[in-house]
Amino acid sequence: GENVEQHPSTLSVQEGDSAVIKCTYSDSASNYFPWYKQELGKRPQLIIDIRSNVGEKKDQRIAVTLNKTAKHFSLHITETQPEDSAVYFCATLSYSGAGSYQLTFGKGTKLSVIP
Amino acid sequence: GAVVSQHPSRVICKSGTSVKIECRSLDFQATTMFWYRQFPKQSLMLMATSNEGSKATYEQGVEKDKFLINHASLTLSTLTVTSAHPEDSSFYICSALAGVDTDTQYFGPGTRLTVL
Repeated sequence: GENVEQHPSTLSVQEGDSAVIKCTYSDSASNYFPWYKQELGKRPQLIIDIRSNVGEKKDQRIAVTLNKTAKHFSLHITETQPEDSAVYFCATLSYSGAGSYQLTFGKGTKLSVIP
Repeated sequence: GAVVSQHPSRVICKSGTSVKIECRSLDFQATTMFWYRQFPKQSLMLMATSNEGSKATYEQGVEKDKFLINHASLTLSTLTVTSAHPEDSSFYICSALAGVDTDTQYFGPGTRLTVL
């Protein structure tokens, strides 16, 4: 099955600096890579996603890059703000058999933005 | 966007009782729903995939007789934790696919289960 590794597990940055979170995956057939932001006790919120035919995608201060050859993808947050503080999860979508696809999540990165 | 609700948001029960959690898609029909469990400071772990009108597919290590899933309609899936024990205490989150040609999952707000 798919294996997703996420680093770092915790990240502290000064307000205004950039934050980068990296994930690697094992299943070369995975073709959809979403990133979720989860605040304490709340649901994961999709913040950006990328599909395997695109190398980079940007949405304001958030960007995701994908290297399918190396099987890794990264989340970049620029000009960080205190409200960016949360746990971020990467995920991959892979075929799980019997016509089903499933998301496999990384272990998460706790981002703290220091004012 | 697609909205998924869960009920209850929080439940405390005694050991040995059963607890039912509902997951509803409010403004779309969800042929496929997923149930996840999240322990404190850990990632989301998929428990089962629920397809409307058919039996759920459980992940390895998840007891299907303990975690009963029913996806009786295109807008409702239920998870029943039977004979709950303290080790079942966790955050249970459902998600739904908004259609057959999409891979985006929309998550419910989660249910915090505490078993005393």
